[in-house]
Amino acid sequence: EPEVTQTPSHQVTQMGQEVILRCVPISNHLYFYWYRQILGQKVEFLVSFYNNEISEKSEIFDDQFSVERPDGSNFTLKIRSTKLEDSAMYFCASSGGDSLVASGRSSREQYFGPGTRLTVT
Amino acid sequence: AQKITQTQPGMFVQEKEAVTLDCTYDTSDPSYGLFWYKQPSSGEMIFLIYQGSYDQQNATEGRYSLNFQKARKSANLVISASQLGDSAMYFCAMRDTGGFKTIFGAGTRLFVKA
Repeated sequence: EPEVTQTPSHQVTQMGQEVILRCVPISNHLYFYWYRQILGQKVEFLVSFYNNEISEKSEIFDDQFSVERPDGSNFTLKIRSTKLEDSAMYFCASSGGDSLVASGRSSREQYFGPGTRLTVT
Repeated sequence: AQKITQTQPGMFVQEKEAVTLDCTYDTSDPSYGLFWYKQPSSGEMIFLIYQGSYDQQNATEGRYSLNFQKARKSANLVISASQLGDSAMYFCAMRDTGGFKTIFGAGTRLFVKA
């Protein structure tokens, strides 16, 4: 069964450094997402990406963050000048279509990767 | 604004019994989808079940069923015949039709006792 993969599984970085989190979405998917989960808290939407541009972003996704699809397979999240509060699990997700249809089909489901645990020291 | 509320931070259930995890939501969009995800201690997010706002019937997926009460804006997850492997964090989530952003509730941690 196809799956979303993420590397690395755990990244430790010093405050102020830049990190790049990598994701390989499911190959025929067109929509890509990043979510964040601070330890013990709920999952928060960061950004969605389609056709080489951001389609929606949350207030968390400020100038410190950027996303890119540098080739046909990878989808990356870059965090510049990391802060202690950026420590979290970062999930990549992908979906085959855009949003849901009212008929109730779940073909628009977002498939999540296993996550990258980012620790900023 | 959209909101998901899960009021049970933790739940205990005896193995082989059924359990209901509560979820209420709020949205001004008439068309939306509701999801439940399972997050085991290993951390990955596992999709369990989906319910569309216009679906006439409650969704079912194996031992999982969604008790959808649209007028009450509730989408409770029912797990039948609980197994030890069901011990995990469970998140209710929602996305408006036409939107990309999925919002999540705070989660309910389920403990299944042998």
